[in-house]
Amino acid sequence: AQSVAQPEDQVNVAEGNPLTVKCTYSVSGNPYLFWYVQYPNRGLQFLLKYITGDNLVKGSYGFEAEFNKSQTSFHLKKPSALVSDSALYFCAVRDDNQGGKLIFGQGTELSVKP
Amino acid sequence: KAGVTQTPRYLIKTRGQQVTLSCSPISGHRSVSWYQQTPGQGLQFLFEYFSETQRNKGNFPGRFSGRQFSNSRSEMNVSTLELGDSALYLCASSSTGGDNSPLHFGNGTRLTVT
Repeated sequence: AQSVAQPEDQVNVAEGNPLTVKCTYSVSGNPYLFWYVQYPNRGLQFLLKYITGDNLVKGSYGFEAEFNKSQTSFHLKKPSALVSDSALYFCAVRDDNQGGKLIFGQGTELSVKP
Repeated sequence: KAGVTQTPRYLIKTRGQQVTLSCSPISGHRSVSWYQQTPGQGLQFLFEYFSETQRNKGNFPGRFSGRQFSNSRSEMNVSTLELGDSALYLCASSSTGGDNSPLHFGNGTRLTVT
């Protein structure tokens, strides 16, 4: 069965510094990986996805993610954090060719301080 | 295009009652998925509908049911409500629900069971 893990419940970063939110995955076939962000009292917003191709995936709001097959990781990164990036971030994997079913990590709370 | 619309935004119900939540997907999207989000269990997949047929189902009791109409709008129903059903219920749509299409989420319905 597919699964993802986000090892950090919370990440604290100073504004302007680079940020990394970690995600590791376990899949039985080709990985279809996603990152979503959730702001308070809102739904999830799609940031980026990895299906195949380049290991560095660029997404919305200046975020990017690096797919590493040997380490089974898909870490989310941003070169320079903004206070407005503070939110809850979810890594997800598509489940075994089951269309709209995503398996989500437990989420990482990102806090960016001025 | 308008985003995914969920109604109502907030609901308060009493144990034993039933509730119906509504979701209007993005125009042209045929796949609608439902997720439950709670602080303890995180995001859990309920079910997915595609062209009025349930395509995938999560591990929830039969009290949780759904349906999809010919215009792709979807409803989910929870009968005999329990305190543990208090959660944010998120609906997501995608064009096909296939591996390459990201899910687009609504802002959710916050259900409180007292």
